[in-house]
Amino acid sequence: GDSVTQMEGPVTLSEEACLTINCTYTATGYPSLFWYVQYPGEGLQLLLKATKADDKGSNKGFEATYRKETTSFHLEKGSVQVSDSAVYFCALSWANYGGSQGNLIFGKGTKLSVKP
Amino acid sequence: DARVTQTPRHKVTEMGQEVTMRCQPILGHNTVFWYRQTMMQGLELLAYFRNRAPLDDSGMPKDRFSAEMPDATLATLKIQPSEPRDSAVYFCASGLGGERTGTGELFFGEGSRLTVL
Repeated sequence: GDSVTQMEGPVTLSEEACLTINCTYTATGYPSLFWYVQYPGEGLQLLLKATKADDKGSNKGFEATYRKETTSFHLEKGSVQVSDSAVYFCALSWANYGGSQGNLIFGKGTKLSVKP
Repeated sequence: DARVTQTPRHKVTEMGQEVTMRCQPILGHNTVFWYRQTMMQGLELLAYFRNRAPLDDSGMPKDRFSAEMPDATLATLKIQPSEPRDSAVYFCASGLGGERTGTGELFFGEGSRLTVL
């Protein structure tokens, strides 16, 4: 079945360091791909998304490119801040199709801690 | 500012008691999800509804958990009887899904933290 695999955490970085969180997926066809972020004590919120191959999602300095050849959607940021400390979830969805689809399939999450 | 509202935010109860969690999805959203989050298991899908009809509740222990949508503005998750292993944060999320209209994006509530002693 469909699944999402993301790198294990926790990841600890110094402020202004570069970030990459790897995410790969297994699915038949081309789902939509998402990164969600969960700040301490809060629910998840959408960070960025891409709905077709080669699309790049971006938001708040974060970027991820939908690579169908490697079935990947790695999250990157050139210079992290303390305020980026959170748990990041990669996910896929088939919400644009009928039937019972619409569920988001999440990876296990990667905790990021950024030190001043 | 549209948001998903969950109550209660925190609940401490004793084993064997009934617990009911409520969720008000964003107006106009037709899909509602219940997730459970624990340190050990991460995010687990318990159940979800589209247009108030249950589509998948395979992740839910049927003997003690039940999920309903009495109307389009209210979703409930009930645990009876509760057990210590049910201690977790329960999230409700809503979105717009369906044939060629869904965006895939889900909007999450802030969660209900349940502690069963």
